Amino acid sequence: GDSVTQMEGPVTLSEEAFLTINCTYTATGYPSLFWYVQYPGEGLQLLLKATKADDKGSNKGFEATYRKETTSFHLEKGSVQVSDSAVYFCALSDRAGAGSYQLTFGKGTKLSVIP
Amino acid sequence: ETGVTQTPRHLVMGMTNKKSLKCEQHLGHNAMYWYKQSAKKPLELMFVYSLEERVENNSVPSRFSPECPNSSHLFLHLHTLQPEDSALYLCASSQEGGSLYGYTFGSGTRLTVV
Repeated sequence: GDSVTQMEGPVTLSEEAFLTINCTYTATGYPSLFWYVQYPGEGLQLLLKATKADDKGSNKGFEATYRKETTSFHLEKGSVQVSDSAVYFCALSDRAGAGSYQLTFGKGTKLSVIP
Repeated sequence: ETGVTQTPRHLVMGMTNKKSLKCEQHLGHNAMYWYKQSAKKPLELMFVYSLEERVENNSVPSRFSPECPNSSHLFLHLHTLQPEDSALYLCASSQEGGSLYGYTFGSGTRLTVV
């Protein structure tokens, strides 16, 4: 079945440091790929997405490129802020049934940014 | 009101109680989902409803019973739960073609079984 593997956390960075969170996936078809973010006490929010190979998703300074040859979708940000402290989830989609898609999530990576 | 709303935000229940979690979406989506989020475990998909029909049930114990009376509302009925069922329960919705647009999640219900 489909699966998503992302780097274990927690990750602790100083403000303005460069961030990379690795994500690789296994899928039988051609899934769409997503990064979700969960701030403390809240649900998951879609951060960015890519729907086909070589697409680059971007939002709020975060970027990730859909690499089919390496089955990867690594999340990057050039300069993190304290407000970026959250748990980040990599996910892929697959069809669950008529009209619906099932998201398969990685385990999440907790990021803490210190001033 | 827009987005996905879950109530209650917090719930404490005894093992012999019966309670229900509610989810409501105002996005015009036609698929809804229940996920369980436990500490140090991946998000677990519990149930999927598409066009008000259940299309996925990932071997969830019968003490969890979903209900989807219409495309805007989703319930999770709980009875005789165990302490290991304590978790954050997340509801999500998507439009057909959710693969392209992703899901919209609610803020979750933090459930504690005592």
